[in-house]
Amino acid sequence: QPVLTQPSSHSASSGASVRLTCMLSSGFSVGDFWIRWYQQKPGNPPRYLLYYHSDSNKGQGSGVPSRFSGSNDASANAGILRISGLQPEDEADYYCGTWHSNSKIRVFGGGTKLTVL
Amino acid sequence: QVQLVQSGAEVKKPGASVKVSCKASGYTFTGYYMHWVRQAPGQGLEWMGWINPNSGGTNYAQKFQGRVTMTRDTSISTAYMELSRLRSDDTAVYYCARDNNWGQGTLVTVSS
Repeated sequence: QPVLTQPSSHSASSGASVRLTCMLSSGFSVGDFWIRWYQQKPGNPPRYLLYYHSDSNKGQGSGVPSRFSGSNDASANAGILRISGLQPEDEADYYCGTWHSNSKIRVFGGGTKLTVL
Repeated sequence: QVQLVQSGAEVKKPGASVKVSCKASGYTFTGYYMHWVRQAPGQGLEWMGWINPNSGGTNYAQKFQGRVTMTRDTSISTAYMELSRLRSDDTAVYYCARDNNWGQGTLVTVSS
């Protein structure tokens, strides 16, 4: 089964851009997966942000600003969530997730706590 | 709009069972898998399994097999997740999720 690994924390200044990573375990290729990203603030359920598979197959969640975008880093075998123009309200936990069609299971990364300085 | 409304918080003793409900509205209930995900205090998201509301078919995460049962009642567009033989480390918020829509969560506290 695939495993998604995220750094536990990341910090950046307000107005900056950040790149949050979601590394896929060896034996699996990120190009074969649809990676979804979620934002979670304390006391709330996760909020779906977007999914990314390729430049021609990606989607933004309803009402999600365009400064949130997804991509892949094939060399790192990782999905990427980019947030540009960081705002204080972006401080949250960010989770990646995917669906493994062979075993019909959903997998989540451990989450990254983003701090906006 | 899609809405998933879950049942209220529960407090259970170790060894007991809990059954959480998730009432769906705003879409065709039988058209989408319903997933259950839990989150222990201060921890990440843990996928538990899914139910196909159309067929009743299920797939559970290996960790929960033998302890979890997911069912549905299509007449009232409601999915259920029952977890048995509860332990203190089952204390968590339990979410139902359809694709990208999530319920509000149900806190289950297991304590003697």
